[in-house]
Amino acid sequence: LAKTTQPISMDSYEGQEVNITCSHNNIATNDYITWYQQFPSQGPRFIIQGYKTKVTNEVASLFIPADRKSSTLSLPRVSLSDTAVYYCPSNQGGKLIFGQGTELSVKP
Amino acid sequence: DAGITQSPRHKVTETGTPVTLRCHQTENHRYMYWYRQDPGHGLRLIHYSYGVKDTDKGEVSDGYSVSRSKTEDFLLTLESATSSQTSVYFCATFSGTGGSEAFFGQGTRLTVV
Repeated sequence: LAKTTQPISMDSYEGQEVNITCSHNNIATNDYITWYQQFPSQGPRFIIQGYKTKVTNEVASLFIPADRKSSTLSLPRVSLSDTAVYYCPSNQGGKLIFGQGTELSVKP
Repeated sequence: DAGITQSPRHKVTETGTPVTLRCHQTENHRYMYWYRQDPGHGLRLIHYSYGVKDTDKGEVSDGYSVSRSKTEDFLLTLESATSSQTSVYFCATFSGTGGSEAFFGQGTRLTVV
């Protein structure tokens, strides 16, 4: 079964680049890698996805190596408002498992 | 924003009473999910549906049942609420097609006293 593993928490300071890595065990050949962000009292929301190599949007970049066994979410120059929980869920044939996510705390 | 509506948004109920939470979508997505979120546990999948009348258990399904009689509605029922079911419940939908994303509702805060 597909399963993801990511750090429970990370700390950073404003202006720094933050990289959160997720390991993807048994990811299906046709599955995309997707990351979500959740602020307190809100549901998670999609921020970025990719299949291979690098993807960049206005919020983040996503790096995926050729073997697709891991992915790295990169947040450039974080601010206090980036304090949130970040998830890289696994997809078990449509069954989405989000887990604990990575709690990012950005300090001034 | 995706059209996902959870009701009620807040509920306080007594131990032993039945409770039903409703999730309504206007996206025509195939998959629907119920998660609970508790401090220190992230998002845990309770049940999910992969089509009308097709449901399956998640990670923490004991004490919960679900029904999906039409594409747009997914109901979560606590047959006899317990204090351990006090939590924030999120509904989500997912089309299931490659490259698609999941959409979440705003959550339901349930307190069992």
